[in-house]
Amino acid sequence: ETGVTQTPRHLVMGMTNKKSLKCEQHLGHNAMYWYKQSAKKPLELMFVYNFKEQTENNSVPSRFSPECPNSSHLFLHLHTLQPEDSALYLCASSRDTQGAGYEQYFGPGTRLTVT
Amino acid sequence: GQQLNQSPQSMFIQEGEDVSMNCTSSSIFNTWLWYKQDPGEGPVLLIALYKAGELTSNGRLTAQFGITRKDSFLNISASIPSDVGIYFCAGSRFGNEKLTFGTGTRLTIIP
Repeated sequence: ETGVTQTPRHLVMGMTNKKSLKCEQHLGHNAMYWYKQSAKKPLELMFVYNFKEQTENNSVPSRFSPECPNSSHLFLHLHTLQPEDSALYLCASSRDTQGAGYEQYFGPGTRLTVT
Repeated sequence: GQQLNQSPQSMFIQEGEDVSMNCTSSSIFNTWLWYKQDPGEGPVLLIALYKAGELTSNGRLTAQFGITRKDSFLNISASIPSDVGIYFCAGSRFGNEKLTFGTGTRLTIIP
């Protein structure tokens, strides 16, 4: 139990569907992150939120839309995805975004398959 | 851009053996983190390093922050079956809130 939960754990969606991924952290952290993990590729940072404000958008296509209503919750809204978007989507949180508070703790991920 | 080269890419060892892996960068890092990921799960933080030369242990795991600040090492002593998985290094530079991840070392224990 890492204190970061993600739902759903598995999701299969068609290219015309709209779905959302949810992340919740119970660690009292101030920063939250979305990553994409594809086979044989390093973890790719997608978005960073610090104190509910988006501080990083790593050139992510607009078909991925993040939402951070508070420091404990993070959503990733998905629409009109492509098959190459199939991957493991990981949420992480950290106390801060610098120094010793930068240790990131990950959730179990959502395995997304786009058909 | 920054790249982390992690080696070896995979290791096949027998139970009880010691394991060594490393991570090198073309840039100086201020923080090194080591993670382990089991199949179908998210990465779990093993060890965090914040000072050049720092040596930190977590049970049978020991990690070091290289003196040049461009590399880090992870050692596992007396491996056991639950050590199987993928180990990732990650680094960050002061003033940059991004973590750069290595490509991982896959550890397999041969029966």
